[in-house]
Formats: sequence, structure tokens, C-alpha cells
Amino acid sequence: DQQVKQNSPSLRVQEGRISILNCDYTNSMFDYFLWYKKYPAEGPTFLISISSIKDKNEDGRFTVFLNKSAKHLSLHIVPSQPGDSAVYFCAASADQGGKLIFGQGTELSVKP
Amino acid sequence: DTEVTQTPKHLVMGMTNKKSLKCEQHMGHRAMYWYKQKAKKPPELMFVYSYEKLSINESVPSRFSPECPNSSLLNLHLHALQPEDSALYLCASSHAVGTVDIYNEQFFGPGTRLTVL
Repeated sequence: DQQVKQNSPSLRVQEGRISILNCDYTNSMFDYFLWYKKYPAEGPTFLISISSIKDKNEDGRFTVFLNKSAKHLSLHIVPSQPGDSAVYFCAASADQGGKLIFGQGTELSVKP
Repeated sequence: DTEVTQTPKHLVMGMTNKKSLKCEQHMGHRAMYWYKQKAKKPPELMFVYSYEKLSINESVPSRFSPECPNSSLLNLHLHALQPEDSALYLCASSHAVGTVDIYNEQFFGPGTRLTVL
């Protein structure tokens, strides 16, 4: 039973364009959502988060949108840069950040 | 200091060995976590410590034994592991778990790449 799903295993984007990474969840008790970026052989790096009381959170080139009725969140990166190439995981929690459930990840490749 | 450190970076052990993984943070976080990540898979939670007490054990086999000596340190003791336990072991920390009105992200260390022969 996969509670957090990232249905696109990979995404290729041209440098300077927008990258949109999507994530769906099934547990309506989730109240906190995060995006992590991971390079090979390294630990995940926190990017941005959003609580369920908001529908948008922005930090520089990164914006996360939350649609609670659709149980869907997305990460927008604009403009995309080659250094953004990595695996992106969305994660969700039902207890204000305790147990995180991760999606399967989307590998983003930004080409010059 | 805003990082989580883990040692060793790589570890190779036989099935009869006893070894330990170490994790340290100096961010004043009171919650610490162990995750296991297999190749091409997401991290999977193993244990959560909150205020130095074990609060979550995700039905992890007893050959993995966590220990939290103080608020900055987290160990994972390994004994009689199996080859299928080979994985990247990640440590993370965050502010106190479940504190009202505080949403807090987990900061991850670089991981220990474990190979069991």
C-alpha cells in the first residue's frame, strides 16, 4: 500500500525552462509535506515544505503547491539549471514531522 | 553547525561480525532517526528517538539495535546481519517530534554504505 506516489520515474527538461514534479497521496491524515533532493551516494537534502493549512509555499526558484481536495502536490523549479539534476523525493507526515513516508522518487535531468 | 555527520562512510562486514554505525548532530535537535535505503528505492524508516527515548520501531529485526547515548548522538549496532541488509543507512535529525504548532523538517546525514558478505 503505497501512500505517497510519484508516478514519473524520470523527467528531462531544458535549461531555463520550468520543471514540474508531481506527487499524489492517499492518506487524508497527512498534514505536512516535504520535498528532498538527492544526489547519488549522498543523503537527501531538504528543499522546501508545506503544511496542510497552506496551498502554496515559495523559496527562491522553488515553489510547492498543495491541492488537498485532489490529494496532490507539485514542485515547480524555475528556471531549471543543470545543477538541479538529481532524484527528487516527496515525503509526507501525519504527525507534524515524525514519521515520514517517501514517494519512489523522480529523476530530474536538466540539459544545457 | 547545521549538518548531520555519519561514520563510517563505508562498511564491509561478514555475517558473524559485530559493528556499529554512528551519527552525530549539534543543531539542538531532540528527535533522531535511522532510515534504510536500497538502490533505486525511497528511504524507509527504521527507528525514531525522541528526547533520547525510542518512540518508533518499524518492526525492525533484532539484529539491528539502536542506541541514543545523549541528545547529540545516535548509534546503530549491527550483529549477525544478512546479505540482504546491504544498503545505505541514513541518519536524520529534527526538532522535537509532534510538538504542537511546530512543523519541522528532517536533516539527513550522508549515510553509511553497508555491504554484508
